[in-house]
Amino acid sequence: AQSVTQLDSHVSVSEGTPVLLRCNYSSSYSPSLFWYVQHPNKGLQLLLKYTSAATLVKGINGFEAEFKKSETSFHLTKPSAHMSDAAEYFCVVSDGNQFYFGTGTSLTVIP
Amino acid sequence: SQTIHQWPATLVQPVGSPLSLECTVEGTSNPNLYWYRQAAGRGLQLLFYSVGIGQISSEVPQNLSASRPQDRQFILSSKKLLLSDSGFYLCAWSLDRGHGYTFGSGTRLTVV
Repeated sequence: AQSVTQLDSHVSVSEGTPVLLRCNYSSSYSPSLFWYVQHPNKGLQLLLKYTSAATLVKGINGFEAEFKKSETSFHLTKPSAHMSDAAEYFCVVSDGNQFYFGTGTSLTVIP
Repeated sequence: SQTIHQWPATLVQPVGSPLSLECTVEGTSNPNLYWYRQAAGRGLQLLFYSVGIGQISSEVPQNLSASRPQDRQFILSSKKLLLSDSGFYLCAWSLDRGHGYTFGSGTRLTVV
Protein backbone atom coordinates (compact mmCIF):
# COMPACT_ATOMS: atom_id res chain seq x y z
CA ALA A 1 0.00 0.00 0.00
CA GLN A 2 1.09 3.53 -0.70
CA SER A 3 1.01 6.38 1.77
CA VAL A 4 2.58 9.74 2.39
CA THR A 5 3.39 11.35 5.73
CA GLN A 6 4.16 15.03 6.00
CA LEU A 7 5.77 15.28 9.37
CA ASP A 8 4.92 18.91 10.12
CA SER A 9 1.48 20.44 9.70
CA HIS A 10 2.89 23.96 10.21
CA VAL A 11 6.36 25.40 9.65
CA SER A 12 7.41 28.98 10.37
CA VAL A 13 10.66 30.48 9.12
CA SER A 14 12.07 33.97 8.97
CA GLU A 15 12.53 35.58 5.59
CA GLY A 16 15.97 34.78 4.20
CA THR A 17 16.46 31.61 6.28
CA PRO A 18 16.38 28.04 4.94
CA VAL A 19 13.17 26.08 4.46
CA LEU A 20 12.80 22.37 5.20
CA LEU A 21 9.48 20.61 4.66
CA ARG A 22 9.60 16.93 5.49
CA CYS A 23 7.94 14.08 3.64
CA ASN A 24 8.19 10.32 4.15
CA TYR A 25 6.51 7.80 1.91
CA SER A 26 5.60 4.16 1.85
CA SER A 27 5.41 2.39 -1.48
CA SER A 28 5.53 -1.18 -2.71
CA TYR A 29 6.87 -0.08 -6.06
CA SER A 30 9.45 2.34 -7.38
CA PRO A 31 7.43 5.46 -6.77
CA SER A 32 7.12 8.75 -8.51
CA LEU A 33 7.17 11.62 -6.05
CA PHE A 34 5.96 15.18 -6.36
CA TRP A 35 5.72 18.40 -4.40
CA TYR A 36 2.88 20.82 -5.04
CA VAL A 37 2.27 24.31 -3.71
CA GLN A 38 -1.14 25.86 -3.11
CA HIS A 39 -1.66 29.55 -2.44
CA PRO A 40 -4.93 30.57 -0.73
CA ASN A 41 -8.01 29.88 -2.85
CA LYS A 42 -5.88 28.73 -5.76
CA GLY A 43 -5.31 25.42 -7.48
CA LEU A 44 -2.22 23.33 -6.87
CA GLN A 45 0.94 24.06 -8.81
CA LEU A 46 3.65 21.49 -9.46
CA LEU A 47 6.96 22.48 -7.85
CA LEU A 48 9.04 19.46 -8.80
CA LYS A 49 8.91 15.74 -9.46
CA TYR A 50 11.09 12.68 -9.06
CA THR A 51 10.66 9.85 -11.56
CA SER A 52 13.71 7.58 -11.06
CA ALA A 53 16.28 9.83 -12.67
CA ALA A 54 18.60 12.04 -10.61
CA THR A 55 17.91 11.77 -6.89
CA LEU A 56 18.36 15.51 -6.35
CA VAL A 57 15.54 17.27 -8.12
CA LYS A 58 15.44 20.99 -8.78
CA GLY A 59 12.12 22.73 -9.15
CA ILE A 60 10.67 26.15 -9.66
CA ASN A 61 11.16 29.16 -7.39
CA GLY A 62 14.47 27.86 -6.02
CA PHE A 63 13.04 24.73 -4.39
CA GLU A 64 14.68 21.35 -4.55
CA ALA A 65 14.12 17.90 -3.06
CA GLU A 66 16.28 14.85 -2.57
CA PHE A 67 14.98 11.31 -2.98
CA LYS A 68 16.52 9.07 -0.33
CA LYS A 69 15.40 5.50 -0.82
CA SER A 70 17.12 4.19 2.32
CA GLU A 71 15.20 6.72 4.41
CA THR A 72 12.02 6.62 2.28
CA SER A 73 12.11 10.40 2.33
CA PHE A 74 11.60 13.21 -0.14
CA HIS A 75 12.14 16.40 1.83
CA LEU A 76 11.63 19.80 0.19
CA THR A 77 14.22 22.50 0.77
CA LYS A 78 15.02 26.06 -0.21
CA PRO A 79 18.15 27.95 0.86
CA SER A 80 16.45 31.27 1.51
CA ALA A 81 12.75 31.82 2.18
CA HIS A 82 10.86 34.62 0.47
CA MET A 83 7.59 36.14 1.63
CA SER A 84 5.90 34.81 -1.50
CA ASP A 85 6.73 31.25 -0.40
CA ALA A 86 4.02 31.39 2.28
CA ALA A 87 1.53 28.73 1.17
CA GLU A 88 0.39 25.15 1.68
CA TYR A 89 2.71 22.43 0.38
CA PHE A 90 1.67 18.89 -0.51
CA CYS A 91 3.86 15.83 -0.99
CA VAL A 92 2.42 13.26 -3.38
CA VAL A 93 3.42 9.69 -4.23
CA SER A 94 2.25 7.74 -7.25
CA ASP A 95 2.34 3.99 -7.79
CA GLY A 96 1.44 4.31 -11.46
CA ASN A 97 -2.29 4.03 -10.98
CA GLN A 98 -3.23 6.57 -8.38
CA PHE A 99 -1.75 9.55 -6.60
CA TYR A 100 -1.65 9.72 -2.81
CA PHE A 101 -1.50 13.08 -1.09
CA GLY A 102 0.03 14.03 2.21
CA THR A 103 -2.10 16.14 4.53
CA GLY A 104 -0.11 19.26 3.73
CA THR A 105 2.33 21.58 5.47
CA SER A 106 1.44 25.21 5.95
CA LEU A 107 4.51 27.42 5.54
CA THR A 108 4.56 30.82 7.25
CA VAL A 109 7.32 33.28 6.39
CA ILE A 110 8.01 35.89 9.05
CA PRO A 111 9.34 39.23 7.82
CA SER B 1 0.25 23.08 -24.70
CA GLN B 2 -2.21 21.49 -22.34
CA THR B 3 -4.63 23.59 -20.33
CA ILE B 4 -7.35 22.78 -17.85
CA HIS B 5 -10.40 24.93 -17.25
CA GLN B 6 -12.63 24.69 -14.22
CA TRP B 7 -15.67 26.82 -13.48
CA PRO B 8 -17.21 28.56 -11.70
CA ALA B 9 -14.51 29.90 -9.40
CA THR B 10 -16.92 30.51 -6.53
CA LEU B 11 -20.44 29.31 -5.87
CA VAL B 12 -22.93 29.86 -3.06
CA GLN B 13 -25.84 27.46 -3.11
CA PRO B 14 -28.71 26.77 -0.69
CA VAL B 15 -29.11 23.40 0.98
CA GLY B 16 -31.16 21.04 -1.18
CA SER B 17 -30.29 22.73 -4.47
CA PRO B 18 -28.55 20.90 -7.34
CA LEU B 19 -24.90 21.28 -8.29
CA SER B 20 -22.96 21.08 -11.51
CA LEU B 21 -19.24 21.83 -11.73
CA GLU B 22 -17.52 21.48 -15.04
CA CYS B 23 -13.94 20.77 -15.98
CA THR B 24 -12.44 20.61 -19.45
CA VAL B 25 -8.95 19.80 -20.66
CA GLU B 26 -7.38 21.01 -23.88
CA GLY B 27 -4.28 19.90 -25.76
CA THR B 28 -4.24 16.22 -24.84
CA SER B 29 -6.17 13.06 -25.56
CA ASN B 30 -7.52 10.36 -23.26
CA PRO B 31 -6.35 11.95 -20.03
CA ASN B 32 -7.05 10.51 -16.62
CA LEU B 33 -9.39 12.95 -14.89
CA TYR B 34 -9.94 13.52 -11.18
CA TRP B 35 -12.18 15.41 -8.78
CA TYR B 36 -10.77 16.28 -5.37
CA ARG B 37 -12.33 18.08 -2.43
CA GLN B 38 -10.41 20.08 0.12
CA ALA B 39 -12.40 20.86 3.25
CA ALA B 40 -11.31 23.78 5.41
CA GLY B 41 -8.10 22.98 7.28
CA ARG B 42 -7.85 19.50 5.81
CA GLY B 43 -5.95 17.76 3.06
CA LEU B 44 -7.21 16.68 -0.33
CA GLN B 45 -9.75 13.92 -0.62
CA LEU B 46 -10.09 12.05 -3.91
CA LEU B 47 -13.76 11.91 -4.86
CA PHE B 48 -13.82 10.46 -8.37
CA TYR B 49 -11.44 9.50 -11.11
CA SER B 50 -11.96 8.51 -14.72
CA VAL B 51 -9.69 6.71 -17.17
CA GLY B 52 -12.03 7.11 -20.15
CA ILE B 53 -15.41 8.23 -21.44
CA GLY B 54 -18.18 6.86 -19.25
CA GLN B 55 -15.72 5.22 -16.84
CA ILE B 56 -16.07 6.63 -13.35
CA SER B 57 -14.59 5.29 -10.13
CA SER B 58 -15.89 6.60 -6.83
CA GLU B 59 -13.52 6.71 -3.91
CA VAL B 60 -15.85 7.87 -1.15
CA PRO B 61 -19.58 7.23 -0.67
CA GLN B 62 -21.25 10.60 -0.71
CA ASN B 63 -23.91 12.90 -1.97
CA LEU B 64 -22.06 13.58 -5.21
CA SER B 65 -21.74 11.95 -8.62
CA ALA B 66 -19.47 12.43 -11.61
CA SER B 67 -19.83 11.96 -15.33
CA ARG B 68 -17.52 12.04 -18.33
CA PRO B 69 -19.65 12.63 -21.40
CA GLN B 70 -16.67 13.50 -23.60
CA ASP B 71 -13.00 12.57 -23.58
CA ARG B 72 -11.87 15.87 -22.11
CA GLN B 73 -14.91 16.85 -20.05
CA PHE B 74 -15.51 15.88 -16.45
CA ILE B 75 -18.59 16.99 -14.52
CA LEU B 76 -19.27 16.86 -10.79
CA SER B 77 -22.92 16.89 -9.79
CA SER B 78 -25.33 16.63 -6.93
CA LYS B 79 -29.12 16.44 -6.91
CA LYS B 80 -29.45 17.95 -3.42
CA LEU B 81 -26.60 19.71 -1.71
CA LEU B 82 -25.85 19.25 2.00
CA LEU B 83 -24.08 21.69 4.29
CA SER B 84 -21.22 19.20 4.51
CA ASP B 85 -20.64 19.52 0.75
CA SER B 86 -19.03 22.92 1.30
CA GLY B 87 -15.37 23.00 0.38
CA PHE B 88 -12.83 23.71 -2.30
CA TYR B 89 -13.21 21.42 -5.32
CA LEU B 90 -10.31 20.75 -7.61
CA CYS B 91 -10.29 19.08 -10.98
CA ALA B 92 -7.06 17.56 -12.26
CA TRP B 93 -5.73 15.56 -15.16
CA SER B 94 -2.75 13.31 -15.72
CA LEU B 95 -1.36 11.04 -18.41
CA ASP B 96 0.70 8.73 -16.28
CA ARG B 97 2.56 8.66 -13.01
CA GLY B 98 5.63 10.28 -14.48
CA HIS B 99 3.76 13.44 -15.37
CA GLY B 100 1.95 14.06 -12.14
CA TYR B 101 -1.22 16.06 -11.97
CA THR B 102 -2.12 19.34 -13.53
CA PHE B 103 -4.79 21.04 -11.46
CA GLY B 104 -7.53 23.44 -12.34
CA SER B 105 -7.87 26.68 -10.43
CA GLY B 106 -10.57 25.28 -8.14
CA THR B 107 -14.16 26.07 -7.20
CA ARG B 108 -15.00 27.41 -3.75
CA LEU B 109 -18.45 25.98 -2.92
CA THR B 110 -20.36 27.30 0.06
CA VAL B 111 -23.63 25.63 0.91
CA VAL B 112 -25.88 27.83 3.04
